[in-house]
Amino acid sequence: GAGVSQSPSNKVTEKGKDVELRCDPISGHTALYWYRQSLGQGLEFLIYFQGNSAPDKSGLPSDRFSAERTGGSVSTLTIQRTQQEDSAVYLCASSLVERVSTYEQYFGPGTRLTVT
Amino acid sequence: AQSVTQLDSHVSVSEGTPVLLRCNYSSSYSPSLFWYVQHPNKGLQLLLKYTSAATLVKGINGFEAEFKKSETSFHLTKPSAHMSDAAEYFCVVAPSGGYQKVTFGTGTKLQVIP
Repeated sequence: GAGVSQSPSNKVTEKGKDVELRCDPISGHTALYWYRQSLGQGLEFLIYFQGNSAPDKSGLPSDRFSAERTGGSVSTLTIQRTQQEDSAVYLCASSLVERVSTYEQYFGPGTRLTVT
Repeated sequence: AQSVTQLDSHVSVSEGTPVLLRCNYSSSYSPSLFWYVQHPNKGLQLLLKYTSAATLVKGINGFEAEFKKSETSFHLTKPSAHMSDAAEYFCVVAPSGGYQKVTFGTGTKLQVIP
């Protein structure tokens, strides 16, 4: 079956521009997570969705970052006025329900963002 | 509060020799622990997980890990490395039960020498 997909796979943008990153979770998965993976770092949690609501936004690094999820499915992560420190791989994961201790997270291949 | 420390950023082994990737954790709760693998240009894949059942956990591709509460460790092992095991491995901790934020380690890159 189809896994988690993300688009674009690569994005190069100029400093100051806005970017949108898209995630298509596995069909039927109610929980969706965004992470950021910087060079030499572990995965940094950004935001979690249960359905269309985001109970935990605590990982968003600044107010330039926002995310939404519509129809309990596709999610978009938007970064406004991009900065060079935003360069990273942005990973999306979904799971059947929100209990990460029990239910496996399935990860997409990521979007590599480069801010020049 | 929880944290996870992967003690080696790079590990190099010869094909056919044992693999040991070390992970120590701290958690205020009884933790769930996971190992994920990331092959180049591929998504993260779950290798195995510990969720307070058996302390020795067997995963895919011959990997296993042992939860040692007294040592706060969850080291990943494999008796004989294969070339296809070359990848980056992440140790992950989460409190048991309900949704809680997971914490990823910084990763260990495994190199397998032919």
